[in-house]
Amino acid sequence: GAVVSQHPSRVICKSGTSVKIECRSLDFQATTMFWYRQFPKQSLMLMATSNEGSKATYEQGVEKDKFLINHASLTLSTLTVTSAHPEDSSFYICSANIRNTIYFGEGSWLTVV
Amino acid sequence: RKEVEQDPGPFNVPEGATVAFNCTYSNSASQSFFWYRQDCRKEPKLLMSVYSSGNEDGRFTAQLNRASQYISLLIRDSKLSDSATYLCVVKEQAGTALIFGKGTTLSVSS
Repeated sequence: GAVVSQHPSRVICKSGTSVKIECRSLDFQATTMFWYRQFPKQSLMLMATSNEGSKATYEQGVEKDKFLINHASLTLSTLTVTSAHPEDSSFYICSANIRNTIYFGEGSWLTVV
Repeated sequence: RKEVEQDPGPFNVPEGATVAFNCTYSNSASQSFFWYRQDCRKEPKLLMSVYSSGNEDGRFTAQLNRASQYISLLIRDSKLSDSATYLCVVKEQAGTALIFGKGTTLSVSS
């Protein structure tokens, strides 16, 4: 069964609104989770590292005020895309470091119209 | 800049063919190396880890050359089900995120 669950799998939102994506570690605690974004025919690009109980570490070029990450518990990290624009449309995927093994969520397809 | 570079592809091969993918990485201090497979619109899935001694898993053989910072994946007797994008992945140290190459697309036809 899945070790990391991501929700929603697909979401369509209007330009200017905010969207929250959840990443849950099932049955195991994950002190560190990673958020990636993948544009069509491109690589998975690391956006940020989410640490439980502390602020996320963002990669260069990723706006922390636009992509809000909250890791309030050992089993849940959330990514909120604020004031979404069509260029934010992408595949967002989380992963969790559990016992030194990386597990991926199923990914979330975001379309901003 | 942290980089993982791969053959651009796509590779279009008939069933039964042998195909090789190559990858180079820029950080000589990288510690762990992997090949992942990603199907269209899905999350990446671990295919195999890569070691300097080389490792084989059925039709798949992976090799790491630390001196050249080069990673390879060989697929023998290609199957239709092997059609996917193959991602070369590097981990610089324990606890850090995976760094992905852009991927090489393989299409196996009958």
